[in-house]
Amino acid sequence: GDSVTQMEGPVTLSEEAFLTINCTYTATGYPSLFWYVQYPGEGLQLLLKATKADDKGSNKGFEATYRKETTSFHLEKGSVQVSDSAVYFCALIKAAGNKLTFGGGTRVLVKP
Amino acid sequence: DSGVTQTPKHLITATGQRVTLRCSPRSGDLSVYWYQQSLDQGLQFLIQYYNGEERAKGNILERFSAQQFPDLHSELNLSSLELGDSALYFCASSVDGGATDTQYFGPGTRLTVL
Repeated sequence: GDSVTQMEGPVTLSEEAFLTINCTYTATGYPSLFWYVQYPGEGLQLLLKATKADDKGSNKGFEATYRKETTSFHLEKGSVQVSDSAVYFCALIKAAGNKLTFGGGTRVLVKP
Repeated sequence: DSGVTQTPKHLITATGQRVTLRCSPRSGDLSVYWYQQSLDQGLQFLIQYYNGEERAKGNILERFSAQQFPDLHSELNLSSLELGDSALYFCASSVDGGATDTQYFGPGTRLTVL
């Protein structure tokens, strides 16, 4: 079945450091790929998405590129802030599908 | 604020009881989804409705049921509750439920079964 694997956390960084969270997926066809973020005590918010190979999603300084050849969708941000501390979820929806399949989540803690 | 509302925010109940979780989708969204987030299972899809009809089913237990009403709000009913049902239950909505459609999540209902 479909699955999403992302690096385990927690990831602890200093402010202004570079952040990378690895995400790889297994799915037939051409799924759409998503990154969601969950701030403490809140629901999930869509961070960015990409719907076809080589698409780059970007938002709030975060970027991720849909790599079909490596089945990956790694999340990056060049300079993190304390306010980026959250849990980040990589997810996919299969083409012609509807349910989101999530990775296990990666907790990121940014220290001042 | 995603525009998706869920009530109640917190629910504490005992084993064997039945509870109802409510969700109102964003204005204009026809599709509603329910997800369960627990420490051991992570985030799992439960069920999807589109314009009142069930469209897809995931790992939803037989003790759980859901429906979407004509005004498009949805309810998730959990019965014969067990300790393991303690989790955060999220509702999400999207315009038409397609694969490239963005799902917007509500703040969740935290269920604690004692």
